[in-house]
Amino acid sequence: GEDVEQSLFLSVREGDSSVINCTYTDSSSTYLYWYKQEPGAGLQLLTYIFSNMDMKQDQRLTVLLNKKDKHLSLRIADTQTGDSAIYFCAGTYNQGGKLIFGQGTELSVKP
Amino acid sequence: SAVISQKPSRDICQRGTSLTIQCQVDSQVTMMFWYRQQPGQSLTLIATANQGSEATYESGFVIDKFPISRPNLTFSTLTVSNMSPEDSSIYLCSVLASSYNEQFFGPGTRLTVL
Repeated sequence: GEDVEQSLFLSVREGDSSVINCTYTDSSSTYLYWYKQEPGAGLQLLTYIFSNMDMKQDQRLTVLLNKKDKHLSLRIADTQTGDSAIYFCAGTYNQGGKLIFGQGTELSVKP
Repeated sequence: SAVISQKPSRDICQRGTSLTIQCQVDSQVTMMFWYRQQPGQSLTLIATANQGSEATYESGFVIDKFPISRPNLTFSTLTVSNMSPEDSSIYLCSVLASSYNEQFFGPGTRLTVL
């Protein structure tokens, strides 16, 4: 079945860029998403990319998609302490809307 | 974006009892889903809540344990039946915004079973 994998932890200094990586196995994915979960909170949709795109930029966020390598990344420019959270990538592989989630990457931003 | 509310936000329950979680959306949506997030884990889809028909369950989840209702396009309930400590999780509903393939999540219901 589909599988989505992420590294579990990332630590950066405030002001640096953060890059969170995700790999997936199913090449028929249609949409790929990035969600943010702060402690004790639900999931916040940050951005998503359609599978026929290579890149999408939204303010401090840049999503890169390499379909050949089945690799998705989220770059956060000028990372702030408020960006500390768990970041999940997820893909939807059919029109039914089911999301397959990665394990989540815990981003720690140090002042 | 859709605004989603869930009730209760958290609860502590005794084993063997049942809890019904409500999900309300501020606009009509075609698709609603229920996910489970076990402690320290990622999210797993329980089922798709279908309006006017039985929910579609994922492998490992059954209707007797997680009955779901969806009486209209803005509301759904998930019941966790005959609870055990292994059911302690965060339960989240989500909706698919039909126009842009954006899937939004509710704030979640944090359930602890003693």
